[in-house]
Amino acid sequence: AQKVTQAQTEISVVEKEDVTLDCVYETRDTTYYLFWYKQPPSGELVFLIRRNSFDEQNEISGRYSWNFQKSTSSFNFTITASQVVDSAVYFCALSEGYDKIIFGKGTRLHILP
Amino acid sequence: DADVTQTPRNRITKTGKRIMLECSQTKGHDRMYWYRQDPGLGLRLIYYSFDVKDINKGEISDGYSVSRQAQAKFSLSLESAIPNQTALYFCATSGWSGGTDTQYFGPGTRLTVL
Repeated sequence: AQKVTQAQTEISVVEKEDVTLDCVYETRDTTYYLFWYKQPPSGELVFLIRRNSFDEQNEISGRYSWNFQKSTSSFNFTITASQVVDSAVYFCALSEGYDKIIFGKGTRLHILP
Repeated sequence: DADVTQTPRNRITKTGKRIMLECSQTKGHDRMYWYRQDPGLGLRLIYYSFDVKDINKGEISDGYSVSRQAQAKFSLSLESAIPNQTALYFCATSGWSGGTDTQYFGPGTRLTVL
């Protein structure tokens, strides 16, 4: 069965610190997709990244980076030099296609000025 | 203009009422989705559609129905609303944009069933 675990329910860091959000997943399929989403206090959902199971290259987008390790079934998300605007709830998700997307329960990130 | 719009943004209704939530998109994407979000539970997929003639149940479809009136429109109905359907509902589309497969979410509809 598919499962996504975000063990960190809430994290607080001081602005400019780096922070890593953990995501561990379970699936029996060899082909699957992993996602990260951001939900700021305003409530909208923002898609950040989609990664397929055959692409283990790390991804960097500005201050955001993602580390995908199949050996440990993890897809961790790092924010470098955090800013107050990064404060949000971040969701990790897993799917075997575009159906049955399973979301983790989210990590609430507080960036303190 | 927003890529994905949802109407209404907020709705309070009573148990037993029929409610329709509407979603429109300007991305030209074939794939559309309805999710609900409950506190502490993340998002759960209600229904999804890969084109106008293709509609599929998601994880929690009981008590809901959908209609894909056109490529750009995907409506979610609650035939007889009940209090545990109180939640934040998101519509989303996905497709290729700028060389990558991307999802776009609407702003959400906050539904309260009394």
